[in-house]
Amino acid sequence: AQTVTQSQPEMSVQEAETVTLSCTYDTSESDYYLFWYKQPPSRQMILVIRQEAYKQQNATENRFSVNFQKAAKSFSLKISDSQLGDAAMYFCAYRSGRSGTYKYIFGTGTRLKVLA
Amino acid sequence: DTEVTQTPKHLVMGMTNKKSLKCEQHMGHRAMYWYKQKAKKPPELMFVYSYEKLSINESVPSRFSPECPNSSLLNLHLHALQPEDSALYLCASSQDRPTGQPQHFGDGTRLSIL
Repeated sequence: AQTVTQSQPEMSVQEAETVTLSCTYDTSESDYYLFWYKQPPSRQMILVIRQEAYKQQNATENRFSVNFQKAAKSFSLKISDSQLGDAAMYFCAYRSGRSGTYKYIFGTGTRLKVLA
Repeated sequence: DTEVTQTPKHLVMGMTNKKSLKCEQHMGHRAMYWYKQKAKKPPELMFVYSYEKLSINESVPSRFSPECPNSSLLNLHLHALQPEDSALYLCASSQDRPTGQPQHFGDGTRLSIL
């Protein structure tokens, strides 16, 4: 069975600084997808970034980028130039690439605080 | 704007009441999900419908009854709930193909059981 681990329950970052949230996962599959979701206090879960396991290039979305280390099964999220609006719970998630598989496996989350 | 719409946003009900949560999406997604989320915890999967058929039931108590009337709608019928069922209930949808598409979430329904 696949598992996703987020070892940092809470992180703080100064506004305009850079922070990295860690995520590790365990799987025996070679085809899968990884996601970072953000859930602000207003509660809607929003996709931040998506990574395909077969792509070696790290995904980026504006100030958000990932460090995907497939051999180490690590998928960390880097937030550059942190803004107050980045304060939220961040969840790492895994989905199998097998057709007909619908289950997303979530980590326990990291609460990010942004200090003004 | 939220592409997955959930109603109501808040619901307070007694343990003997019957109520329903509704979820609607018009993105053409063929997979729809119900999650239960407690404060500061990740979402817990309850049910998955794919092509209007129940494909995953995570051993949820029978007091929760899902229904998928068509490809755009997903309901969760509630009956005889317990105080521990108080939580945020999230609906999500995703494309079926290609594989590995992200989920789109609604704002959730905050449910309180008296």
